[in-house]
Amino acid sequence: ETGVTQSPTHLIKTRGQQVTLRCSSQSGHNTVSWYQQALGQGPQFIFQYYREEENGRGNFPPRFSGLQFPNYSSELNVNALELDDSALYLCASSLSLEQETQYFGPGTRLLVL
Amino acid sequence: SQQGEEDPQALSIQEGENATMNCSYKTSINNLQWYRQNSGRGLVHLILIRSNEREKHSGRLRVTLDTSKKSSSLLITASRAADTASYFCATDAREAAGNKLTFGGGTRVLVKP
Repeated sequence: ETGVTQSPTHLIKTRGQQVTLRCSSQSGHNTVSWYQQALGQGPQFIFQYYREEENGRGNFPPRFSGLQFPNYSSELNVNALELDDSALYLCASSLSLEQETQYFGPGTRLLVL
Repeated sequence: SQQGEEDPQALSIQEGENATMNCSYKTSINNLQWYRQNSGRGLVHLILIRSNEREKHSGRLRVTLDTSKKSSSLLITASRAADTASYFCATDAREAAGNKLTFGGGTRVLVKP
């Protein structure tokens, strides 16, 4: 157990809908990163938040957006869902930007029909 | 896009044998990390090796890093059935501020009892 939790565990949506995924970081961790993992592939970096500000973004369109709250929990929002958005979404927290080790949550599996 | 390529994509061994997997990457890095993932769940951090290190050990794990060849290997000695999982290498690129990981495609390891 890493102390990082995600909700929900599973989700089914239809194309065009919007979804919000949630992540609760390990206590005291002010940095959170989100990753998308398609079936059979490695995770891909979506974006990172540090102290409530976005700190870097991967190659994902603007319909992927995020928030980090003062208690360092965070959300990933995806608008206008597409079939290819079906994946496991992982969040990972770290104590700071400088800490090299990230602690991953169990993920949210999203299926878009 | 994925930074690294992992080889082999899949590996099947008997309990007690050693498992070796390799990772190649493209850019200069601060560090390289190995993670394990069981059945599409969250990632578990195994070991980190910095760019100025050549070899590191942790229990039954041995990691090497060759920055001139941009490659790394992970050796699991005396494998157990519980080592059955997917293993991913991830790099922390030197030009990226903060800890934003780029993952390889993974090696799926099956340890038969």
